[in-house]
Amino acid sequence: AQKITQTQPGMFVQEKEAVTLDCTYDTSDPSYGLFWYKQPSSGEMIFLIYQGSYDQQNATEGRYSLNFQKARKSANLVISASQLGDSAMYFCAMREGRGTGRRALTFGSGTRLQVQP
Amino acid sequence: NAGVTQTPKFQVLKTGQSMTLQCAQDMNHEYMSWYRQDPGMGLRLIHYSVGAGITDQGEVPNGYNVSRSTTEDFPLRLLSAAPSQTSVYFCASSYGAGGPGETQYFGPGTRLLVL
Repeated sequence: AQKITQTQPGMFVQEKEAVTLDCTYDTSDPSYGLFWYKQPSSGEMIFLIYQGSYDQQNATEGRYSLNFQKARKSANLVISASQLGDSAMYFCAMREGRGTGRRALTFGSGTRLQVQP
Repeated sequence: NAGVTQTPKFQVLKTGQSMTLQCAQDMNHEYMSWYRQDPGMGLRLIHYSVGAGITDQGEVPNGYNVSRSTTEDFPLRLLSAAPSQTSVYFCASSYGAGGPGETQYFGPGTRLLVL
């Protein structure tokens, strides 16, 4: 079974509008972390936002927020007021198994976001 | 603070050749890892290290070796390159304290083509 599922291969959004990128995850570990990364066409991986499984509040970082619904195992990224520079590939990732010292990330297949003027 | 650096940026190899991809970080992070990204896909873990002298395998370790003699450096060795190893390789590091401190920061990547 896929541990991280991103069902939207591609998304379009108009500049200045908000957009939600979906991510669902699968784990039986009670302690886990969820991450979103942005990969522009230049190829680097840019960290956007983190949500811990025990965090009570949804994470926010500037125009990025994470809609964390633990019971549904979803961790959707919301980008408000989209900008042309937001056009990129977005990856959802999960870290499990804190107790083992293993901090590897499992990545979804990504969503390509295109912001239109 | 340079963050995570990787060299080279690009490399072309012939099948059977060996090479080492270099990764260094200056943030005193204890955790370092190597991922590969194939076209149209997310990243997959090759090897990781939780500290100097300690390494372990990830999801796709075959054909790669690692060692960690210092906190700063984590080189990835391709033993005998194969066309299936054509990919973009990312090195990442994190402080690893849990919570936001476990966020992994990535290097700029190395594009490898094996002919």
